[in-house]
Amino acid sequence: DTAVSQTPKYLVTQMGNDKSIKCEQNLGHDTMYWYKQDSKKFLKIMFSYNNKELIINETVPNRFSPKSPDKAHLNLHINSLELGDSAVYFCASSTGTGGYQPQHFGDGTRLSIL
Amino acid sequence: SQQGEEDPQALSIQEGENATMNCSYKTSINNLQWYRQNSGRGLVHLILIRSNEREKHSGRLRVTLDTSKKSSSLLITASRAADTASYFCATQSGGSNYKLTFGKGTLLTVNP
Repeated sequence: DTAVSQTPKYLVTQMGNDKSIKCEQNLGHDTMYWYKQDSKKFLKIMFSYNNKELIINETVPNRFSPKSPDKAHLNLHINSLELGDSAVYFCASSTGTGGYQPQHFGDGTRLSIL
Repeated sequence: SQQGEEDPQALSIQEGENATMNCSYKTSINNLQWYRQNSGRGLVHLILIRSNEREKHSGRLRVTLDTSKKSSSLLITASRAADTASYFCATQSGGSNYKLTFGKGTLLTVNP
């Protein structure tokens, strides 16, 4: 009964490929997020959806496209992967009211580009 | 842009000692949160302190917030080897209720 689950846990692929990472939360939260954590452990928000609507879209290459089929799922598709995309990608969720709620994180997807 | 900045970057202590980590930020905030990340795992929320609060406790954790100095501290008392992890502060600011901006983290090692 994992609260926020991401698949796959590890993703090793060649430069130029297209890949997707899936995220599901069973907490009944309204808001979901994608973060990127670099090799120095710096964590940066990429996208956020609230009730399937995009509310945060940071300066991210348009090769990255999030998709939220319903409020329990937020997937991340990456086109034409580059070496600099190697990182750990975290999905998170929170309740959407008031902004005073903690975020719940998945265990991450470690993406390695060869 | 980065908001929080933790200090120190790394801290090594013996089991039973107290650990103090500091966080400084640049702009006014709605709240500040502390998270723990064990190696290879996701972040786990520890404690949230609102901008009108000065101190909060949760078990062995004590968080203070000084909005005049734009700083916060996390104290872990009677540390255990299981407390070994990276600790991050994160701030929510302005109208962006959903957006957290994280610092670079403090790596805490508790030696048995």
